[in-house]
Amino acid sequence: KAGVTQTPRYLIKTRGQQVTLSCSPISGHRSVSWYQQTPGQGLQFLFEYFSETQRNKGNFPGRFSGRQFSNSRSEMNVSTLELGDSALYLCASSLADGRVNEQFFGPGTRLTVL
Amino acid sequence: KNEVEQSPQNLTAQEGEFITINCSYSVGISALHWLQQHPGGGIVSLFMLSSGKKKHGRLIATINIQEKHSSLHITASHPRDSAVYICAVLSMDSNYQLIWGAGTKLIIKP
Repeated sequence: KAGVTQTPRYLIKTRGQQVTLSCSPISGHRSVSWYQQTPGQGLQFLFEYFSETQRNKGNFPGRFSGRQFSNSRSEMNVSTLELGDSALYLCASSLADGRVNEQFFGPGTRLTVL
Repeated sequence: KNEVEQSPQNLTAQEGEFITINCSYSVGISALHWLQQHPGGGIVSLFMLSSGKKKHGRLIATINIQEKHSSLHITASHPRDSAVYICAVLSMDSNYQLIWGAGTKLIIKP
């Protein structure tokens, strides 16, 4: 089975722009979670999507949004980029047939905001 | 106080040494993950456990639910084990979100 894939791998944007990141989960996985990793804050949970619905949400401003498609692929959008949004964005997929499921991570998208 | 605490934050050891990384948590959990992150960012899930002990190759993970503590051990460490090791708990108190430790940066010198 192919692993979790994320595109693009690297991205450079300027302040005020918006960006869309994509995550394709492992085939058969219905849950996709997004995380932000910065040197100062570590890994922070953004949101989780399951069957096209947002099931959980972390403490991020409304500029951060996401969605999930019927094939379980997920996109994350950040509008009005700020310098502090520079981070590694990771997505993880799981079967989510229950609440306790192992998560499998993608390679991440490294976003740099100038 | 963080809900998931790891120690040590940094660890440097010689090749061949036995390594122990500790994780303590203060919330109710349904499972605990140990993950490995190499430079460049990719995260690999090493173990998910909710009781007892699991072993995979040179890696051993244990958890004591009563004491809210888990350890990750590496036997016969090798320079390729150099990475950041992260403990994350699946918290029942936070609607089953993963709560992350800050990570332990491990360097194994040849």
